[in-house]
Amino acid sequence: KAGVTQTPRYLIKTRGQQVTLSCSPISGHRSVSWYQQTPGQGLQFLFEYFSETQRNKGNFPGRFSGRQFSNSRSEMNVSTLELGDSALYLCASLPAPWGEETQYFGPGTRLLVL
Amino acid sequence: AQSVTQPDIHITVSEGASLELRCNYSYGATPYLFWYVQSPGQGLQLLLKYFSGDTLVQGIKGFEAEFKRSQSSFNLRKPSVHWSDAAEYFCAVGISNFGNEKLTFGTGTRLTIIP
Repeated sequence: KAGVTQTPRYLIKTRGQQVTLSCSPISGHRSVSWYQQTPGQGLQFLFEYFSETQRNKGNFPGRFSGRQFSNSRSEMNVSTLELGDSALYLCASLPAPWGEETQYFGPGTRLLVL
Repeated sequence: AQSVTQPDIHITVSEGASLELRCNYSYGATPYLFWYVQSPGQGLQLLLKYFSGDTLVQGIKGFEAEFKRSQSSFNLRKPSVHWSDAAEYFCAVGISNFGNEKLTFGTGTRLTIIP
């Protein structure tokens, strides 16, 4: 079974631009969570989607948004990019967001904002 | 609010030596506990997990961890490290209204292996 895939793997943008990142979960997994990883703040939860609905959200500004499609693939969007948005963005999938399930992570998208 | 503490930012051990990475959590109930490993430029790979039952859990690559409720700890151990174990290790707690869609991570411990 294929793992979690994320595209693109690397991205360079300039301040003020917007960016969209994509995540395809493991086949059969219906929940997708997103995390931001930076040297200063570590790994922080952004949000989670299940059945095309955002069920849980971390403490990030409204510039960070996402969505999930009917095939469980998810996208996250960051508008009006700031230098501090440079980070590794990880998505993780699990079969369902309840019970004793485990999150499996993709390789991440490294975003550099200049 | 829940939190995870990994007190050791960087640990250096000799190849073949034993290893213990510390993790403490703060949470009112018994959480779900995880250890992940991250190699440079890569995503997170699950080493092992604890949900309930036997407090000593075995994982991949010869790792094990022990959940100690009285100490709110979930330390990771390996009896003999290999050079390929050099990486960053993250302890995480699964806390949510329903399940495990939101993980709270520790700050990580970077492991260096010397010959």
